[in-house]
Amino acid sequence: KQEVTQIPAALSVPEGENLVLNCSFTDSAIYNLQWFRQDPGKGLTSLLLIQSSQREQTSGRLNASLDKSSGRSTLYIAASQPGDSATYLCAVRLFQGGSEKLVFGKGTKLTVNP
Amino acid sequence: SAVISQKPSRDICQRGTSLTIQCQVDSQVTMMFWYRQQPGQSLTLIATANQGSEATYESGFVIDKFPISRPNLTFSTLTVSNMSPEDSSIYLCSVRAQETQYFGPGTRLLVL
Repeated sequence: KQEVTQIPAALSVPEGENLVLNCSFTDSAIYNLQWFRQDPGKGLTSLLLIQSSQREQTSGRLNASLDKSSGRSTLYIAASQPGDSATYLCAVRLFQGGSEKLVFGKGTKLTVNP
Repeated sequence: SAVISQKPSRDICQRGTSLTIQCQVDSQVTMMFWYRQQPGQSLTLIATANQGSEATYESGFVIDKFPISRPNLTFSTLTVSNMSPEDSSIYLCSVRAQETQYFGPGTRLLVL
């Protein structure tokens, strides 16, 4: 059974700091991995998608890496801003028995202090 | 990309009653997914809904409790039946467009 773990569960940093969020998964047979952002009381916003054959993806101040063999992904946020405060979720996509599903971690709650 | 809307955005319900959540997508999609996010927890897949066929439910979820309709390629409903306080959660509709997963804004349900 695939399990996704995110460390730390919560993180508080001053504005301007660079930071790394971690995601690990137990089964390397994934199709892709996606990072999301969730603001309080809201749905999920897709940030970055990494295919299983890729090593990293970048969008603006965000960079996500994937090491499929070791079951790890990181989300790097450069020059953090108060507007980055949210919960960040990673999810791996699996294909099992003809169906597909996303398995989510519990998220990292990020607070960026002005 | 895909833009997803859900109704209602939130509701407070009495135990024993049922609530139907609607999900509308701005483009035609083969599969629509329903997730539940319990307080303080991450997302758990309830079922996958294909147009014209029965929904496929994940372990721990049954059709009698969470009936799903999928009448066309842009719309789906999820009903939470015979509700109890343990059903208090955020319910999210989701689709996959190309390789990316998109989510609706969620329906926040509180059962008293």
